[in-house]
Amino acid sequence: QKEVEQDPGPLSVPEGAIVSLNCTYSNSAFQYFMWYRQYSRKGPELLMYTYSSGNKEDGRFTAQVDKSSKYISLFIRDSQPSDSATYLCAMSAGQGAQKLVFGQGTRLTINP
Amino acid sequence: SQTIHQWPATLVQPVGSPLSLECTVEGTSNPNLYWYRQAAGRGLQLLFYSVGIGQISSEVPQNLSASRPQDRQFILSSKKLLLSDSGFYLCAWSIEGTQYFGPGTRLLVL
Repeated sequence: QKEVEQDPGPLSVPEGAIVSLNCTYSNSAFQYFMWYRQYSRKGPELLMYTYSSGNKEDGRFTAQVDKSSKYISLFIRDSQPSDSATYLCAMSAGQGAQKLVFGQGTRLTINP
Repeated sequence: SQTIHQWPATLVQPVGSPLSLECTVEGTSNPNLYWYRQAAGRGLQLLFYSVGIGQISSEVPQNLSASRPQDRQFILSSKKLLLSDSGFYLCAWSIEGTQYFGPGTRLLVL
């Protein structure tokens, strides 16, 4: 079993829809959770960074962490074609030189 | 603000040739540095990380090596490339937890 599971998709939704992206994990020591967006042939770009359980909102993006269920989500409201990318979840047990464990990434397409 | 550079952006090399990829970070001191490889349609595989000059930790035994000759410079090398070394190589830096990625180097070994 992988430490972090993420449905690779592809996921295709119409413009304006609410998108839900999810990851599950098995290591209860994870406390730091991140979402990265990666456009084709580019490096991943940090979108959201949360610590422990709870919600964090930034514009059209909301990150949720449920440590009791070992489940994290990223919601995108009013999705735009420019949101079309691969979204990677990542997590670690601590700060400093901690190794991040990544999900496989979900490929998302927003159709105009 | 911090900036991370990688070069070259794209590289096509024959099997058996040497490799040197360079990563530099600006705007920060004593960062943790990382090399990842991303194969097509797959996730990120951590290859090496470094917490300081000359300090390298290897995650996956393979045909590659890394060096950190200066505080903000990280180099990925190989003496003889294999076909399986093809992929997208990403450098990242961090101070606390969150990692920030460079633009990547696309390597094709023929």
